[in-house]
Amino acid sequence: GAVVSQHPSRVICKSGTSVKIECRSLDFQATTMFWYRQFPKQSLMLMATSNEGSKATYEQGVEKDKFLINHASLTLSTLTVTSAHPEDSSFYICSAGTGAGAKNIQYFGAGTRLSVL
Amino acid sequence: GENVEQHPSTLSVQEGDSAVIKCTYSDSASNYFPWYKQELGKGPQLIIDIRSNVGEKKDQRIAVTLNKTAKHFSLHITETQPEDSAVYFCASDSGTASKLTFGTGTRLQVTL
Repeated sequence: GAVVSQHPSRVICKSGTSVKIECRSLDFQATTMFWYRQFPKQSLMLMATSNEGSKATYEQGVEKDKFLINHASLTLSTLTVTSAHPEDSSFYICSAGTGAGAKNIQYFGAGTRLSVL
Repeated sequence: GENVEQHPSTLSVQEGDSAVIKCTYSDSASNYFPWYKQELGKGPQLIIDIRSNVGEKKDQRIAVTLNKTAKHFSLHITETQPEDSAVYFCASDSGTASKLTFGTGTRLQVTL
């Protein structure tokens, strides 16, 4: 159980285009979904936390107009990187949380490698 | 905010030996401490977790210990195998909040 599906696994795009990444919880309803960014050989940096039906909470330094997050249902959240530039190239990973508060456990998707040319 | 430190950054052990990775955290309100294994090009996989109401938890070759007084927790892998080679991350929550703060990771290499 607790499977999180993330698509696409890899995307290459031209500078200035927008890219949408989907994160789905396949066998459970996720009260909260999280989006992370990971640079090579580094740790996971939380970008934002999203709850179904409400606006995402962004971490300090993350541009909300640059990284649009939509959490339309309890099983789907999307991250759109708008007007992507080479510096946005990175590994983006989502996670879905089971339970709430102290009972929350995060399960991760397989990640999306974004390369902006 | 929460700060999680993880050591060592790299660890090389021979197959069959044990591996220990240690983490410290700063927020005394933290209650939940998961460990994740990340293979190259993949997302992190939850391998074991512990909550503050217990001091130790074991799952086959993997165990985690927690010392709330000292604010540190450790991952122990016994009888290591080549497939244990990966990057391991510790994490902690922020008490009532659901988000996690991750350690900097430990690259474990199990050699034959």
